[in-house]
Amino acid sequence: DAGVIQSPRHEVTEMGQEVTLRCKPISGHNSLFWYRQTMMRGLELLIYFNNNVPIDDSGMPEDRFSAKMPNASFSTLKIQPSEPRDSAVYFCASSLRDPSYNEQFFGPGTRLTVL
Amino acid sequence: KNQVEQSPQSLIILEGKNCTLQCNYTVSPFSNLRWYKQDTGRGPVSLTIMTFSENTKSNGRYTATLDADTKQSSLHITASQLSDSASYICVVRIPGAGNMLTFGGGTRLMVKP
Repeated sequence: DAGVIQSPRHEVTEMGQEVTLRCKPISGHNSLFWYRQTMMRGLELLIYFNNNVPIDDSGMPEDRFSAKMPNASFSTLKIQPSEPRDSAVYFCASSLRDPSYNEQFFGPGTRLTVL
Repeated sequence: KNQVEQSPQSLIILEGKNCTLQCNYTVSPFSNLRWYKQDTGRGPVSLTIMTFSENTKSNGRYTATLDADTKQSSLHITASQLSDSASYICVVRIPGAGNMLTFGGGTRLMVKP
């Protein structure tokens, strides 16, 4: 299995531009998570989906952030417009929807730099 | 306030030595507690998962312990190797909250030759 796939691995953009991050979860997993990691705040959950449906988006910082999961094998996290404080590493993770003991598998992350 | 606190924030040890990383949590109740290893530039990888009824769990040279009474967990690394240099993150899962995880700030370990 290729694991969770994220693209791009690195993104550098200018303030105000739209940024789209992509994620392909592990085949057969039906839960998907988007995280943000910074030195100051560590890992933060932004949003997670079960069976393609957003369950909790309370971690999404602002309306500038949006996430979609049109099917079981693809999700996007979009920032529009981007700001320098959005610079971070964004991780996607997937898991089986076992409510008690399932493990989340993380992708390699997308390092976003907003100038 | 973070409900999962880790110590130390960073640690430097010599190759071959043992070390212990600490995790204190205030989340209660919880479903399980996990330790992740995160290499620089990579995503976290699970080392151990323990339910509240388990006291210890091993994964090779990694041994995690859990004291649910004192709300403390530790990760012991035996005979450290250079490849153990990474951040180690303690994570607590809250029951009844889907797959909600509460992350500690991590301990950055550096193993020197």
